[in-house]
Amino acid sequence: LAKTTQPISMDSYEGQEVNITCSHNNIATNDYITWYQQFPSQGPRFIIQGYKTKVTNEVASLFIPADRKSSTLSLPRVSLSDTAVYYCLVVAGSARQLTFGSGTQLTVLP
Amino acid sequence: GAGVSQTPSNKVTEKGKYVELRCDPISGHTALYWYRQSLGQGPEFLIYFQGTGAADDSGLPNDRFFAVRPEGSVSTLKIQRTERGDSAVYLCASSNTLSYNSPLHFGNGTRLTVT
Repeated sequence: LAKTTQPISMDSYEGQEVNITCSHNNIATNDYITWYQQFPSQGPRFIIQGYKTKVTNEVASLFIPADRKSSTLSLPRVSLSDTAVYYCLVVAGSARQLTFGSGTQLTVLP
Repeated sequence: GAGVSQTPSNKVTEKGKYVELRCDPISGHTALYWYRQSLGQGPEFLIYFQGTGAADDSGLPNDRFFAVRPEGSVSTLKIQRTERGDSAVYLCASSNTLSYNSPLHFGNGTRLTVT
């Protein structure tokens, strides 16, 4: 399984765009990238996933460069309610289990 | 629709006791997962089911832990002779296909405290 590295914590202010970058240098050809969000006392919630280039949904965008050794989760115009832990995962095509790291604690300040 | 439901939400037990944690997945989801999360850490995989069978139980820490899913829907995680180190939040998740890119839907977990 590819190991991921992401910042332990980030602070931002309401209304700003937040970019969280994740490194996954040994990602394999069939692996894809997925991000989950977790609020206190709740289970993780799927945000977005992608294989290459750019993916956008109603919540976030995911940017993946051509070499796929990193990815960036972009949250537009964050609000206080976006304060949460964000997990970057690399999922092997042949595997079923997800391997979570420690995630990035995003704190949005007023 | 209803999400993944876990009961109880909190469980306090004494060291050495037996506990059962229940998970009701989203209706129709064939795959079911159990994870354990300690404070400040990401969830740690325990076991996953495809239908009624345990397809991968490599994350179970020892033989005190066991999980069943007899009818391919509800699952129960069973812990024998609990130890204080078993204290954690136990998360259940389900997904609707076995496709590798199906997202997991998590419940809010059962917080287990062993005193």
